Amino acid sequence: AQTVTQSQPEMSVQEAETVTLSCTYDTSESDYYLFWYKQPPSRQMILVIRQEAYKQQNATENRFSVNFQKAAKSFSLKISDSQLGDAAMYFCAYPNFGNEKLTFGTGTRLTIIP
Amino acid sequence: DTGVSQDPRHKITKRGQNVTFRCDPISEHNRLYWYRQTLGQGPEFLTYFQNEAQLEKSRLLSDRFSAERPKGSFSTLEIQRTEQGDSAMYLCASSVLTGVHGYTFGSGTRLTVV
Repeated sequence: AQTVTQSQPEMSVQEAETVTLSCTYDTSESDYYLFWYKQPPSRQMILVIRQEAYKQQNATENRFSVNFQKAAKSFSLKISDSQLGDAAMYFCAYPNFGNEKLTFGTGTRLTIIP
Repeated sequence: DTGVSQDPRHKITKRGQNVTFRCDPISEHNRLYWYRQTLGQGPEFLTYFQNEAQLEKSRLLSDRFSAERPKGSFSTLEIQRTEQGDSAMYLCASSVLTGVHGYTFGSGTRLTVV
């Protein structure tokens, strides 16, 4: 079974600085996707970025980028120029092949310090 | 596209009562998922539908839980004889057939069993 591990329960960063959130996963599949989701205090889970395992290039969405290390099964999220609105729980997630049900990590609570 | 809607946002019920939650997915999304999220944890998969067919149920979904998606549109999740352990956030999400582009989540229903 797939597992997703987020080893940082909480992180904090000064506004405008850069922060990296860690995620490792376990799978026996060779082709798959990985997601980072953001859950602000308003609760709605929002997709931040996704990575396709067969692509060597790391995904980037504006200030958000990933460092995908397939061999190490590592999928970290880098947030550049942190803003107050980035404060949220961040979840790494792996979709199961076929039904795409998501396995989530336990999350990292990110605090932005003004 | 008005997003995924869930109703109610909050529900407080006495132990032993039945409750029903509703989810309205994005209209063109074939798949609909239910997840449960307890405090400080990532969401856990409960069940999913492809159109009106319920294709998979987690063993987390005891006999007291039932879900339906009549006509492949909205879905309901019913919990009978609620227990205090059922207190959680119940999240609904929808996606196009494969879900590899990520889900769209609703804002969730917070259930408190007293």
